[in-house]
Formats: sequence, structure tokens, C-alpha cells
Amino acid sequence: QVQLVESGGGVVQPGTSLRLSCAASGFTFSTHGMHWVRQAPGKGLEWVAVIWYDGSNKYYVDSVKGRFTISRDNSKNTLYLQMNSLRVEDTAVYYCARDRGIGGYDFDYWGQGTLVTVSS
Amino acid sequence: DIQMTQSPSTLSAYVGDRVTITCRASQYISSWLAWYQQKPGKAPKVLIYKASILESGVPSRFSGSGSGTEFTLTISSLQRDDFATYYCQKYNSYPYTFGQGTKLEIK
Repeated sequence: QVQLVESGGGVVQPGTSLRLSCAASGFTFSTHGMHWVRQAPGKGLEWVAVIWYDGSNKYYVDSVKGRFTISRDNSKNTLYLQMNSLRVEDTAVYYCARDRGIGGYDFDYWGQGTLVTVSS
Repeated sequence: DIQMTQSPSTLSAYVGDRVTITCRASQYISSWLAWYQQKPGKAPKVLIYKASILESGVPSRFSGSGSGTEFTLTISSLQRDDFATYYCQKYNSYPYTFGQGTKLEIK
């Protein structure tokens, strides 16, 4: 069965960095694109970034461009999100989600999420 | 960027009711639209993709329709388990965007 398990969340101060991980199992990780989606407390869903199945293409929402970097290690079946220069408005539950295809489709599996709190 | 607008934002209904949620895209997106259900404290779950394809394992009381800029999610006979928040999402191009959500409440 497909499993996605996020880790790395926590409480950090504005301007600092954090790296999230998403461990995948139960499917061939290297054949699917992967996404990060976030949800601020009490708010809706916001797509953050995508990385294609082979890492060849990466796209970001404007609000995180230049600060966040998505990456993957297909040998370790793991997705990452490096978050630098964190802001209070980055506070959210961060979900990793599997693309139904190589990177341009909907999300057929989601992790349980990891909470990132940015506060002074 | 393409904006997705859902209506209504909140919907109150009885068990057994037929309900419809609408999602409008600010530009043409063909059929590249998905619907997700989210319950409190849980990750979203896909219900419908490519506007009208029912995800495996999702009850047949859920259906999706539309193309271009206007889409609907219909639940033919509400069950207690269906009370949740629903989101549409466009995925024709990046950035992907979600609608603001429709909270379906028990009347």
C-alpha cells in the first residue's frame, strides 16, 4: 500500500531554515512526480511546489520562489523541501502528495502532514 | 494565474439530500480539474479527477461534470460520512490552484 510519511516540522524563528522530508513506500517512487501542498491554520489548501519523476523539472508558487527548494532522492525514495528565510506566513501543515503521473496531474495519495510554525 | 472560485462557501443539508458544489475557473482549463474531500485534522482525499472520473473506491453517489471554466461536484444522496470540506483544484498548468473550499454541514 502506498504510504507517504512527512517529517521535519517544528517551531522556528523568522528568517531561519528548515528541511522537510517525505518518505515514500509501497510504489515505484521514481516513476511519479511529487508535490508539496500547505494549509495554514483554519485556511484552505495552497500548492507549493512540484518535482517531476526524474527531478528534471521543478515549479513553485510565487510566494516561495527563491526561498524554498524541492528535491528528491530516488535511491532513498524520499522527497525534500528545503525552506529558507522562513516567514510567519509560512506557518502551515505541509503535506507531500503523489502525482498521478510524472508531474502534471492530480494528487492520488497524500501524507498525514507535518506542522511548521514560524514565530518569534 | 488562473483563479478558482467555489460556491457556496458553506452548505447546510440533510442526510439524504442531493447537493451540488460549483467551481469556476478564471480561464479555460479543459477538463484538468480534480475534487478533494477533507475532514478535520486529516489529509485531503481525491474524489474526482479529469473533471468527471471517479477515483477508485469512492462511492458512486459522488459525480463530477463540466469542462472549460465551469464544473460541478454532485453528491446524489448525502450520507453522514460526507460532511466535510470540499476543494476543487485545477492542474492544467503551474501554478496549480485550489478553490477556497466548500464546507458541507449537517442541517
